Amino acid sequence: GAGVSQTPSNKVTEKGKYVELRCDPISGHTALYWYRQSLGQGPEFLIYFQGTGAADDSGLPNDRFFAVRPEGSVSTLKIQRTERGDSAVYLCASSYGGGGSTDTQYFGPGTRLTVL
Amino acid sequence: GENVEQHPSTLSVQEGDSAVIKCTYSDSASNYFPWYKQELGKGPQLIIDIRSNVGEKKDQRIAVTLNKTAKHFSLHITETQPEDSAVYFCAASPLLTGGGNKLTFGTGTQLKVEL
Repeated sequence: GAGVSQTPSNKVTEKGKYVELRCDPISGHTALYWYRQSLGQGPEFLIYFQGTGAADDSGLPNDRFFAVRPEGSVSTLKIQRTERGDSAVYLCASSYGGGGSTDTQYFGPGTRLTVL
Repeated sequence: GENVEQHPSTLSVQEGDSAVIKCTYSDSASNYFPWYKQELGKGPQLIIDIRSNVGEKKDQRIAVTLNKTAKHFSLHITETQPEDSAVYFCAASPLLTGGGNKLTFGTGTQLKVEL
């Protein structure tokens, strides 16, 4: 079946610009996660949605980062006034969200963001 | 918060040999420990996971062991093949009864299987 998809696969922008990154989770998954992966590092948690609401946004680095999931399916990560330090691969994952053994997270291919 | 350390950072083995990757974690509340394989340009792919109510889990050539007292867990790959070459990440998280978790990842192990 279809996995998690992310668009675009690559995004190059200039410092100070605004970007949006999109995630389509696996159909039926109520939980959705965003992670950021810098070169040579493991993914770092940003935010977790259960349905439409952000259940945990403790990983967002500052108020330039914001994410939405208005209908409980597709999510958009928004970054304002981008900085060179925002350059990384942004990964999205989804899980069934029912708790226990259903919470295996399945990752998308990521969006590579480059801020010039 | 949780802190996960992973060793070694690189591992080179001959085809057919075994590979072992070790991780430690700091938060005693963590009870879910997945392992992911990441190939170049792709997202992490789950290969095996273990929950704290068991000490060992095996799936064909892959096994994971967990020692909750010592707060460490390990990945064992037997009969390695060239296609096992990739970066492997361990992770830890409390698994909430209400659903959802927040994975803390290790820094990764670059495994190279040589012919």
